[in-house]
Amino acid sequence: DADVTQTPRNRITKTGKRIMLECSQTKGHDRMYWYRQDPGLGLRLIYYSFDVKDINKGEISDGYSVSRQAQAKFSLSLESAIPNQTALYFCATSDLTSDTGELFFGEGSRLTVL
Amino acid sequence: GQNIDQPTEMTATEGAIVQINCTYQTSGFNGLFWYQQHAGEAPTFLSYNVLDGLEEKGRFSSFLSRSKGYSYLLLKELQMKDSASYLCAVMDSNYQLIWGAGTKLIIKP
Repeated sequence: DADVTQTPRNRITKTGKRIMLECSQTKGHDRMYWYRQDPGLGLRLIYYSFDVKDINKGEISDGYSVSRQAQAKFSLSLESAIPNQTALYFCATSDLTSDTGELFFGEGSRLTVL
Repeated sequence: GQNIDQPTEMTATEGAIVQINCTYQTSGFNGLFWYQQHAGEAPTFLSYNVLDGLEEKGRFSSFLSRSKGYSYLLLKELQMKDSASYLCAVMDSNYQLIWGAGTKLIIKP
């Protein structure tokens, strides 16, 4: 089983619908992140959380919200999806005590907004 | 602004050596990362450089020159499974990761 699990893996929805992407991890890491990946662009940070009571906006937070329900769970919501939110979304974790700050990624959630 | 540049695509031959370059302009520097990403999969960590010089890890090596804002990833004895995208990322002064768009490496027999 993957250490960082994302659901759903694929989702097709329509403009204006509310969508939630869920992420859970068994690595025991405090830090969790949501990124989106678009062709020809680098990964872009949407939101990040360093512990259950800590939520921070990333580079492209507009149109998104998050919830850190527990140390192991970090969900991303699109309140009213629009076509330019079509992308591959990755959840990631990192260990506060790591020397490198290496990120561990989930398998990705491919979202298509029609 | 902050910027990471790396070639979009490279082609190499199985068994050969390939060098993937990355140049960066960021507000501060707290380390440079290389990740490997196979098509349709998650990125996985390859290397981390924070001091100048070469870090070797098996067939893969990563080099950093902070004064030149430059890094490269060197892959030796290329195998077909090395076909993937290679992502360069720099941690800036705020400990935020800035990502390059990735270099797609195609390995030919």
